[in-house]
Amino acid sequence: DTEVTQTPKHLVMGMTNKKSLKCEQHMGHRAMYWYKQKAKKPPELMFVYSYEKLSINESVPSRFSPECPNSSLLNLHLHALQPEDSALYLCASSQDLVDRGYEQYFGPGTRLTVT
Amino acid sequence: GNSVTQMEGPVTLSEEAFLTINCTYTATGYPSLFWYVQYPGEGLQLLLKATKADDKGSNKGFEATYRKETTSFHLEKGSVQVSDSAVYFCALSEVFYTGANSKLTFGKGITLSVRP
Repeated sequence: DTEVTQTPKHLVMGMTNKKSLKCEQHMGHRAMYWYKQKAKKPPELMFVYSYEKLSINESVPSRFSPECPNSSLLNLHLHALQPEDSALYLCASSQDLVDRGYEQYFGPGTRLTVT
Repeated sequence: GNSVTQMEGPVTLSEEAFLTINCTYTATGYPSLFWYVQYPGEGLQLLLKATKADDKGSNKGFEATYRKETTSFHLEKGSVQVSDSAVYFCALSEVFYTGANSKLTFGKGITLSVRP
């Protein structure tokens, strides 16, 4: 089973709201990733967690705050977002980091709309 | 730096036609190569992969061979179906074993439409 689950599937939020995206995998993977994908574009890496520690932050604005409570869960906390943050947010996991030769598995994504 | 170049799209084919989607890459080391597929409204699915030169990845009738001499990883399928309509991304990751550069580099993606 190579399933990564994400909730919610759709989210509409105002610019003053606080919300969270959730990601879960039960494959025993030790690396987890957040991506942002705009329409008709490839995914853009935001954050990488390795063994529950933040490994890479691709200079993401502080209104996005990642959290890894345990090895199976990854959250993305959202606060004071802008309309241009509207996108598909994808979570992915891999057995270990991709630069150690492991492939990533993606979740179905959360479609976020900021009004 | 690393880069992945995919042929320009979109591509429209009739059912049972032969498919080739070109992908070439630039990398300083020895990358692993991947094809991902994204169906409408969904996340990315790993379609196939190859980790060293001359490896052939295959899945669901799709194939791609890692060609180091031409730095290419072209995707082929002998007979496409309507259900293959999706966006296809070629990607690479360089293997450093350090964990410090753990990123996938994606091509721009190409939309395939298969008509009955």
